[in-house]
Order: sequence, then structure tokens, then C-alpha cells
Amino acid sequence: EDQVTQSPEALRLQEGESSSLNCSYTVSGLRGLFWYRQDPGKGPEFLFTLYSAGEEKEKERLKATLTKKESFLHITAPKPEDSATYLCAAPYNAGNMLTFGGGTRLMVKP
Amino acid sequence: EADIYQTPRYLVIGTGKKITLECSQTMGHDKMYWYQQDPGMELHLIHYSYGVNSTEKGDLSSESTVSRIRTEHFPLTLESARPSHTSQYLCASSELVQETQYFGPGTRLLVL
Repeated sequence: EDQVTQSPEALRLQEGESSSLNCSYTVSGLRGLFWYRQDPGKGPEFLFTLYSAGEEKEKERLKATLTKKESFLHITAPKPEDSATYLCAAPYNAGNMLTFGGGTRLMVKP
Repeated sequence: EADIYQTPRYLVIGTGKKITLECSQTMGHDKMYWYQQDPGMELHLIHYSYGVNSTEKGDLSSESTVSRIRTEHFPLTLESARPSHTSQYLCASSELVQETQYFGPGTRLLVL
């Protein structure tokens, strides 16, 4: 069964304390791994798409990486405004439907 | 920048009422989706469409219905709202051959 699993479920960091979020997947024939940011009560905001192992993409303090079995979202020197739930997703059939992980809720304290 | 809109943003309604949640996108995307998300929980796909006159049910069974008469418009209807329908409903769209989905701001529905 195609699955996307994220860990940890919640992460508390002090401002400036770098860390990584994990997304492991068992989707066969991966056609992309997607990262989104979701603020409370809002829709997910697209961050990155990674297509092949070894690929990396960066946006401000965020860097996403991809291996054959998992993806990491590295957060360098986070700020309180980085607090949000980070979701990863992967397409799971020819119809391009996305299956989402449960998300990691990141809280950055000043 | 994604241009996808949902109205209303918040809706409180009594049991048994008929409601329609609106979703419109100005990007010319062929594919559109509806997700349901309870607070702190995963997104679940309830409906999707490949284009005009195309509608399909998603993985999560839902009593709602959808229509796609125009490319830019994908409304969701509940004929008789119940408290179990209380949730956040998210609309998204994507190009036909591109998996990246862009989401609207969501509608938070509370059925009393």
C-alpha cells in the first residue's frame, strides 16, 4: 500500500536551533515528493517538489532533500514565523492524486 | 502565485440545511480537487475532476456532491447538513499533467 509517513508529529525548537523533519514513503514508481506548509485554519502552501534521489531545493531557511526512501526538510536557524505544520505528499496513481502524510507541527519559540 | 478562491471562509449552519461551498481558480487548471481536513488531522480527498463534466469520488466517502460545468468553477454541495459534516473543506487545482496542487484558503464549516 502506498504510504507517506512523517516524523516527528510535533517539534519544539528555540529560535536559531536548526533541525530536520522526516518524510518516509513507500510509493512505488515515485513521480515526485511534495512539501507544503500549512498555517492554522488555512490551506497548504506549496514549497518544493523533488523528483530524483540526491536532488535538493532551498527556500530561505528551508532545504529539502530526497533519497530513495525518504525526504528531509532541514530548517536552519528557524524563526518564530517558521512555526506551522509541514506536510509532505506523493502521487500514488496514474491520476496524479496526492497522498499526504500526517504532518509535523513545528513550534519555534523566541 | 496560486489564484484559487473559496467562499465562504466560515459557515455556521443548522442541521438539515442545504449548503454549497464555492471554489474558483483563475489559472486555467484542468484538474480540481476537494479535501476534507479535521483539526490537527490529515487531508482526505473526497472529490476530484479532470475537467468540464468530469467528477470522481475520492478515497474518503462523503455525502457531498460536486459539479464541473465550467473549467474555473468546482462547487461542493451538501443537500442536508449534519453535525458530522463539521470540518474544514479545502479546494485545490493542478495542471492536467503536473502533480503540483495549489490550495485555496479553505472553508470552515460548523453544523449545529
